[in-house]
Amino acid sequence: NAGVTQTPKFRILKIGQSMTLQCTQDMNHNYMYWYRQDPGMGLKLIYYSVGAGITDKGEVPNGYNVSRSTTEDFPLRLELAAPSQTSVYFCASSSRFSGTDTQYFGPGTRLTVL
Amino acid sequence: AQKITQTQPGMFVQEKEAVTLDCTYDTSDPSYGLFWYKQPSSGEMIFLIYQGSYDQQNATEGRYSLNFQKARKSANLVISASQLGDSAMYFCAMRTDKGAQKLVFGQGTRLTINP
Repeated sequence: NAGVTQTPKFRILKIGQSMTLQCTQDMNHNYMYWYRQDPGMGLKLIYYSVGAGITDKGEVPNGYNVSRSTTEDFPLRLELAAPSQTSVYFCASSSRFSGTDTQYFGPGTRLTVL
Repeated sequence: AQKITQTQPGMFVQEKEAVTLDCTYDTSDPSYGLFWYKQPSSGEMIFLIYQGSYDQQNATEGRYSLNFQKARKSANLVISASQLGDSAMYFCAMRTDKGAQKLVFGQGTRLTINP
């Protein structure tokens, strides 16, 4: 049981480039999330999804896009990368049927924009 | 607005001692959940413990317990008999939206266990 997997683990982008961060979960969770963690800070919610075909903005959505075509996958798209998007990105998932609503996190993607 | 405050940027504790990490929260929603996560130097986020706002008893998970004081809006994490492997960042988080289960995180406390 892999849980939440993210690829790539590390990436360096040039200003203006685009990329997609991949996230897959094998726990059949309905809810999925993208967070970013800036150095020395807590996590901030970028986008979330409560099911396939349904996505919504979190606290810091500017510069990002998401899609959710399947229960398992929730890719995060960065368009026109900027230095301010240098961060560690975490994907997480949770089950609507869990009494505790606990979110389980992937290992993270460390992104640097130069 | 929902908010989590962790006032201890760093803490240093001797091995085998107990340690309390502070967390206060602010919400007007009567239904909420409080979580603690551990982030070791390797970077992953590890779920430790959960407390629901309607839970009558403080949550416990092995060496971890959550000191939940609802009237004071605090949810402190207590680690008993600390170990060197407990050295990590610790984040308190609150579920702010029952429907979507969104989390708001505090800024974290860096715990260092000295031998």
